[in-house]
Amino acid sequence: DTAVSQTPKYLVTQMGNDKSIKCEQNLGHDTMYWYKQDSKKFLKIMFSYNNKELIINETVPNRFSPKSPDKAHLNLHINSLELGDSAVYFCASSLIDPPRAYNEQFFGPGTRLTVL
Amino acid sequence: AQKVTQAQTEISVVEKEDVTLDCVYETRDTTYYLFWYKQPPSGELVFLIRRNSFDEQNEISGRYSWNFQKSTSSFNFTITASQVVDSAVYFCALSEAPGGANSKLTFGKGITLSVRP
Repeated sequence: DTAVSQTPKYLVTQMGNDKSIKCEQNLGHDTMYWYKQDSKKFLKIMFSYNNKELIINETVPNRFSPKSPDKAHLNLHINSLELGDSAVYFCASSLIDPPRAYNEQFFGPGTRLTVL
Repeated sequence: AQKVTQAQTEISVVEKEDVTLDCVYETRDTTYYLFWYKQPPSGELVFLIRRNSFDEQNEISGRYSWNFQKSTSSFNFTITASQVVDSAVYFCALSEAPGGANSKLTFGKGITLSVRP
């Protein structure tokens, strides 16, 4: 039943560690995204992938590396975690289907990352 | 560059009051899409509505209604007869390059709505 799922829901780790967040969608969408929501609730795009190809990389440090093994998955790997990486990370997906109207993005439940 | 401004940061109302959440946007594109998302205390982002730039018809869905005015670049959201379950953070968002893989959502800073019993 789940449309966009993320694991884990909570992630607590030490500075300097490497961690991954997984995202899967079963909506048949062809485009997936990662957004970061900071402590003030501000949401900002990080990456987007279309059919496994990187399309948007919004000036994210190269410690963040997205990986899309197939259209249904977009994982986020973070190296050398820093305190400032603490945030909620949302995965989203949509179907880019021109020339029809643009389809909305559906979001996963979010992963709360805390770096100590 | 696209920009979304939600000037109200926090609104508190008593149950059954009507409340309007304001959203003003900036874009150089003539074709774009506007969205509202709800983020309840549980944290998930719930899609509420999408509006195309060429469709200025207002929309009503139950207690929710949306007023899109291109002349003032606004896309306001009204909740009629508010309920405690409406308490959430509400985000307005804009997307340019519709239908393309470069589509990304630019969000406003969100409005925290508290509905008191």
